[in-house]
Amino acid sequence: AQKVTQAQTEISVVEKEDVTLDCVYETRDTTYYLFWYKQPPSGELVFLIRRNSFDEQNEISGRYSWNFQKSTSSFNFTITASQVVDSAVYFCALSFMNYGGSQGNLIFGKGTKLSVKP
Amino acid sequence: DVKVTQSSRYLVKRTGEKVFLECVQDMDHENMFWYRQDPGLGLRLIYFSYDVKMKEKGDIPEGYSVSREKKERFSLILESASTNQTSMYLCASSFGVSAKNIQYFGAGTRLSVL
Repeated sequence: AQKVTQAQTEISVVEKEDVTLDCVYETRDTTYYLFWYKQPPSGELVFLIRRNSFDEQNEISGRYSWNFQKSTSSFNFTITASQVVDSAVYFCALSFMNYGGSQGNLIFGKGTKLSVKP
Repeated sequence: DVKVTQSSRYLVKRTGEKVFLECVQDMDHENMFWYRQDPGLGLRLIYFSYDVKMKEKGDIPEGYSVSREKKERFSLILESASTNQTSMYLCASSFGVSAKNIQYFGAGTRLSVL
């Protein structure tokens, strides 16, 4: 089965704390892509990062970093020195080459709501 | 920048009404999607379309239909709205048929059915 699990429903931190959002996925495919999206209170999902299954290099973008580990089927997202503006719901998603013939469809986790308090 | 526009941010309708949710994208994307988002359930795919006049059922199509007469526009139709269709509806679009494609989302329509 193809599945994405975000076990943390809600996380609350104080500004400047580091926080890691967990994402675990299941797929039988060898070629797949993982995504992270941010949904601020305004409602629009904003794309953050895409990673393919053959690239296990970690990535850093400013205060954001992503740790992809195929051995544990995880694609975790860390925010360093969190800020109030990071408050949002974060979704991890999976797409793969054969989904009933519909390539490019995303399977989403249920999301993690992050609250950063001043 | 890609822009996906949903015609309404908030809608209030009555049970049994026919409801149209409109979505327009300006990047000539082939693919368009409709999701609903509910607390604790994440995003669930209702319908998608890979081309004009083409539509495919997603995971929860019951009670919904769609229309794609033009490439840039994808409409979600609730033939007879019910209270259990009260939800946040999100439209998305993407380019090409590939697992690597990024989906771009609209701001969502929060629908209340009374």
